[in-house]
Amino acid sequence: DAKTTQPNSMESNEEEPVHLPCNHSTISGTDYIHWYRQLPSQGPEYVIHGLTSNVNNRMASLAIAEDRKSSTLILHRATLRDAAVYYCILTPRGSGGSNYKLTFGKGTLLTVNP
Amino acid sequence: ETGVTQTPRHLVMGMTNKKSLKCEQHLGHNAMYWYKQSAKKPLELMFVYNFKEQTENNSVPSRFSPECPNSSHLFLHLHTLQPEDSALYLCASSQDRTSGGALGSYNEQFFGPGTRLTVL
Repeated sequence: DAKTTQPNSMESNEEEPVHLPCNHSTISGTDYIHWYRQLPSQGPEYVIHGLTSNVNNRMASLAIAEDRKSSTLILHRATLRDAAVYYCILTPRGSGGSNYKLTFGKGTLLTVNP
Repeated sequence: ETGVTQTPRHLVMGMTNKKSLKCEQHLGHNAMYWYKQSAKKPLELMFVYNFKEQTENNSVPSRFSPECPNSSHLFLHLHTLQPEDSALYLCASSQDRTSGGALGSYNEQFFGPGTRLTVL
């Protein structure tokens, strides 16, 4: 499985944008890029995913580099409730097989200061 | 109830006890998963069930025994556990589009709140 590299921790101020980076230099052409986050004392929750194009949803934006070797999760205005561990995960695209397996790394612990 | 629920939320057991963790999903999904999250370690996938059939066993010791009686319920039976098995056990579900799924379909996983297990 292709691996991802994320900073161990990042800090942000409330109501400011946050850019969480992820490197995945060994990504294959058929790998999806996913982001999940885990708030304190909760299970992980899906944030966003993409393949080649940048993606936006109500929670965040995902900017994918042209060569797909890195991506950035963007929280446009961080709130205290966004404090969590953010995981960048790759899984192969396909109609079955291992495409449902999520392999979690250590993620990035985001601290949001009031 | 909505989403994925897990019971109990907290469990303390001795090494000779037998207990079971329960997971229920109310999302109409056909795939369910058990994950383990130990202190200071990443989440580890333990088991995957697809249409009630086990499709993945990630080298989990036999003292952990999963059961999936239907697509809405998933159990993890525990017996003769060790203190190092103390962890947060998370259940998840997704709609696996294996059957004729479109190429490039993605199956978001929905997680429960977990059961905090302590083995004495």
